Amino acid sequence: DVKVTQSSRYLVKRTGEKVFLECVQDMDHENMFWYRQDPGLGLRLIYFSYDVKMKEKGDIPEGYSVSREKKERFSLILESASTNQTSMYLCASSFSRVGSGRTNTGELFFGEGSRLTVL
Amino acid sequence: SQKIEQNSEALNIQEGKTATLTCNYTNYSPAYLQWYRQDPGRGPVFLLLIRENEKEKRKERLKVTFDTTLKQSLFHITASQPADSATYLCALDGSRYSSASKIIFGSGTRLSIRP
Repeated sequence: DVKVTQSSRYLVKRTGEKVFLECVQDMDHENMFWYRQDPGLGLRLIYFSYDVKMKEKGDIPEGYSVSREKKERFSLILESASTNQTSMYLCASSFSRVGSGRTNTGELFFGEGSRLTVL
Repeated sequence: SQKIEQNSEALNIQEGKTATLTCNYTNYSPAYLQWYRQDPGRGPVFLLLIRENEKEKRKERLKVTFDTTLKQSLFHITASQPADSATYLCALDGSRYSSASKIIFGSGTRLSIRP
């Protein structure tokens, strides 16, 4: 079974702290994603990566950075946590893009989520 | 601006009826569209993919349609059951012409099936 593991289910941090959220997948997926999920706003894409050391901004990258030094690991960093970053953070991975003639569905596999509270 | 909208935040229907959820998008040209199910406190789980050249896709009691002219996908659950109660999310690749897959989600529809 595909497994996407997020390092912490629950974290409580103080304003201004540096926060690391780690995600590891065991399926040799090329793509990895970080989303945050807030009530009424759905899943919003923060950053994504399609290869080692490659990263692209999603729709809400401000206040976040990412690191992908190894294919299986994608880290989300909050350089200086703020209260408006209190949220559920979800990591996902997938094989590379769906193309014609390929059976790949581009299915995203999600971790269980990390609920971050910033006080 | 680019948007993906799921028109109903919540949908409440009687067991046995067909649930129909809507996903509309603006200023995207997706090659495919996906649907996911999310239960409370869990990550979303993939259900179906439909490609732009497919009008309809079925999987057991699920049916998805994709109209690229209307820029809309409909997701149907026939013979609905209380166990189908969950939030359903549509998603598309917002970066069709680049090397990376930028998967964007709608805000979801919370479906409740009452016995």
